Amino acid sequence: KNEVEQSPQNLTAQEGEFITINCSYSVGISALHWLQQHPGGGIVSLFMLSSGKKKHGRLIATINIQEKHSSLHITASHPRDSAVYICAVRPTGTASKLTFGTGTRLQVTL
Amino acid sequence: DTGVSQNPRHKITKRGQNVTFRCDPISEHNRLYWYRQTLGQGPEFLTYFQNEAQLEKSRLLSDRFSAERPKGSFSTLEIQRTEQGDSAMYLCASSLGHASTQYFGPGTRLTVL
Repeated sequence: KNEVEQSPQNLTAQEGEFITINCSYSVGISALHWLQQHPGGGIVSLFMLSSGKKKHGRLIATINIQEKHSSLHITASHPRDSAVYICAVRPTGTASKLTFGTGTRLQVTL
Repeated sequence: DTGVSQNPRHKITKRGQNVTFRCDPISEHNRLYWYRQTLGQGPEFLTYFQNEAQLEKSRLLSDRFSAERPKGSFSTLEIQRTEQGDSAMYLCASSLGHASTQYFGPGTRLTVL
């Protein structure tokens, strides 16, 4: 079993829909990251969380440390949001290396 | 553009050949990380540097892999005697301190024939 599990693996939505991607992890962590990867490989960091909730534009990330669970929400989705969204955790006691989930592939259609 | 650059972007090589990749991090970042990503999977940690010191290496980093960051700026990752299983995207990231956001480069896609 992977230390970081994401669901769903694939997601198709229509433009304007509210989207939720989930991440569960099995280890103690000092931080959790949400990353966006576009075709061609480039990865962009969206959020780094250790508690609570963060918002940036149409993106919202939440984390529940007790339940070892995080969600990434996209409001009013748009085709340009189509990408792979990856959850990554920094386990406690591991300096700064990240452990990644396998990603959620999101396709937003018109 | 995150400010982290990698070269080359693509490399095709024959099995048994040596390859070297370069990563130029954001200039003031003291931490530099190498990850490997195979198709349909998330990235996996390979190694990281704080300044010029290599502080941790993954079990994934066999003896054929070596990484350097000689002056604490750019880094190179060399793979000797490449195997088909080495085909992957090799990603570099940098950060300012261990608790900071990591900024990723565009990656080097390696294909071993």
